[in-house]
Amino acid sequence: DTGVSQDPRHKITKRGQNVTFRCDPISEHNRLYWYRQTLGQGPEFLTYFQNEAQLEKSRLLSDRFSAERPKGSFSTLEIQRTEQGDSAMYLCASSSGTDHEKLFFGSGTQLSVL
Amino acid sequence: GDSVTQMEGPVTLSEEAFLTINCTYTATGYPSLFWYVQYPGEGLQLLLKATKADDKGSNKGFEATYRKETTSFHLEKGSVQVSDSAVYFCALIKAAGNKLTFGGGTRVLVKP
Repeated sequence: DTGVSQDPRHKITKRGQNVTFRCDPISEHNRLYWYRQTLGQGPEFLTYFQNEAQLEKSRLLSDRFSAERPKGSFSTLEIQRTEQGDSAMYLCASSSGTDHEKLFFGSGTQLSVL
Repeated sequence: GDSVTQMEGPVTLSEEAFLTINCTYTATGYPSLFWYVQYPGEGLQLLLKATKADDKGSNKGFEATYRKETTSFHLEKGSVQVSDSAVYFCALIKAAGNKLTFGGGTRVLVKP
């Protein structure tokens, strides 16, 4: 499978705990995006990397959220001190430099904060 | 800010019926417009796109025309199949932009 993969598929955690998600983009894609989707809504942009550089962050990304892409390949999204309002599907996508408008999405990580 | 508005679902159709999903947008400049589809249990997939006014995107029997004068990008298919049951998202990206702005999605259910 050469698509975008995300791990885990599901995560249940208690309020106040930290969680980390991983995204492996398509190997030749240098752009990587994180989105958040709540039930019945469209995805909302969180952040964007070009190679290892984080070039844009949404105001939705509070200081409890941090994303990294240390070697320009896989990326991690960490949420510290989770809150019930963080419950959502977290989507990762990647695109190539030659057609950066065509995003390939992973299946997402469903986070439930109890 | 930029925004995309699409008709609420669910839309329930019989097989071979005509499908239209309305989408309008608000954005400065000349964005590119997209339709993404999410089949049950799968990730979002690009269905079609149009990058300038009067462009028509098409794929898998679906079509949408970029209408600058009405800021719309309505999705149409002449004869739907059960396999078209999915959630459809209209989206835009601004010229030289890095992020997609999505509408709320429209669930379509096609019954045999």
